[in-house]
Amino acid sequence: DAGITQSPRHKVTETGTPVTLRCHQTENHRYMYWYRQDPGHGLRLIHYSYGVKDTDKGEVSDGYSVSRSKTEDFLLTLESATSSQTSVYFCAISDTGTGHTGELFFGEGSRLTVL
Amino acid sequence: AQSVTQLGSHVSVSEGALVLLRCNYSSSVPPYLFWYVQYPNQGLQLLLKYTTGATLVKGINGFEAEFKKSETSFHLTKPSAHMSDAAEYFCAASNGAGSYQLTFGKGTKLSVIP
Repeated sequence: DAGITQSPRHKVTETGTPVTLRCHQTENHRYMYWYRQDPGHGLRLIHYSYGVKDTDKGEVSDGYSVSRSKTEDFLLTLESATSSQTSVYFCAISDTGTGHTGELFFGEGSRLTVL
Repeated sequence: AQSVTQLGSHVSVSEGALVLLRCNYSSSVPPYLFWYVQYPNQGLQLLLKYTTGATLVKGINGFEAEFKKSETSFHLTKPSAHMSDAAEYFCAASNGAGSYQLTFGKGTKLSVIP
């Protein structure tokens, strides 16, 4: 199994509070991603990173920011959580170079409930 | 932009019956294609993938999928369903070599009836 750890795994918070989810990898993969999973929507990309300090937006980036100060860590921040951000968040990683086909390796998920 | 369509958000089969989960992609350029499985309260794990070469690909747990360019399809099959196959299945596509983003379908939840 790919070495991907998400924390916290479960969090309940109140509307308007800031929340940070952490993804830590031990694979030294270049690319890291944050997805959210909601019933009927599948997985939707929030933000991704293609290197230290290099990030870009996905299709549902509003209300989220990310940071990557080290290869192994990718943080997702909700500056002011809203109930619509109640979801399960997945971190994923992938590598580049010869032989790599873009497949993603996923963490176990972080379930966030915003009351 | 690439889009991936999975027909049927929920499929039920009897134990021992054929499993067929459908996936179509939109790109005119053959992408790389993937099937992932998600068991309850877990992350996604790769079942199989198509990149180039043989269009029938075999994956884990007896699953296989066939890439059909003319139909822009990548349907997942298993000859005989087992209770342990009950899970949610996601089809995904990238835009081929050099692309590092996957577009996912909305998922198909497979139920297996004893």
